[in-house]
Amino acid sequence: DVQLLESGGGQVQPGGSLRLSCAASGFSFSTHAMFWVRQAPGRGLEWVSLISGSAGTTSYADFVEGRFTISRDNSKNTLYLQMNSLRAEDTAVYFCAKDGRYNGYTYLDYWGQGTLVTVSS
Amino acid sequence: HSALTQPASVSGSPGQSITISCTGTSSDVGGYNYVSWYQQHPGEAPKLIIYDVSQRPSGISNRFSGSKSGDTASLAISGLQAEDEADYYCSSYRSSSLYVFGSGTKVTVL
Repeated sequence: DVQLLESGGGQVQPGGSLRLSCAASGFSFSTHAMFWVRQAPGRGLEWVSLISGSAGTTSYADFVEGRFTISRDNSKNTLYLQMNSLRAEDTAVYFCAKDGRYNGYTYLDYWGQGTLVTVSS
Repeated sequence: HSALTQPASVSGSPGQSITISCTGTSSDVGGYNYVSWYQQHPGEAPKLIIYDVSQRPSGISNRFSGSKSGDTASLAISGLQAEDEADYYCSSYRSSSLYVFGSGTKVTVL
């Protein structure tokens, strides 16, 4: 079975940093793009970033503004999101998700349960 | 880069059919057959219910169907049931940023 398990969330002060991880299992990790999607309390889903299976392609939502870096370690089947210069508006549950197509960026067929990031002083 | 536009809420009585629209542009919904739909119950992770405009993943009820016309995609739910009460989000491949979600629609079963 496909499993995605996020970790690394927590409370951090404005301007601080956090590194989220997503441990994947049950599929060929290196052949699928991976995504980070967030959801602020009471708000909708918001795409944050994606990375191709080979890590050769990355993309970020406009609001990231160079503050976040997505990466992956295919030898460890793990996805990361390094978040710097955090703002109160980054407070959200962060989900990792797997693209359902071989080497595509088209639909997210499996999602983790999410990890909560709270940015507050 | 704005989100795809969905109605904030749609409601229907048990057994009825409802439709949720998702409007984008020629750079996303209108330009590619890569529209997907997700169902999210409170406190849960989203669940894929439609991909590639009209394909259903294994295990998804055939009461859910998807279509597209021009820059607008639609999700139809027939035979509305209490368990269908949830938030629904569309998404699409986008030529600039590669991906975008819709604004979300709350479905209420009356």
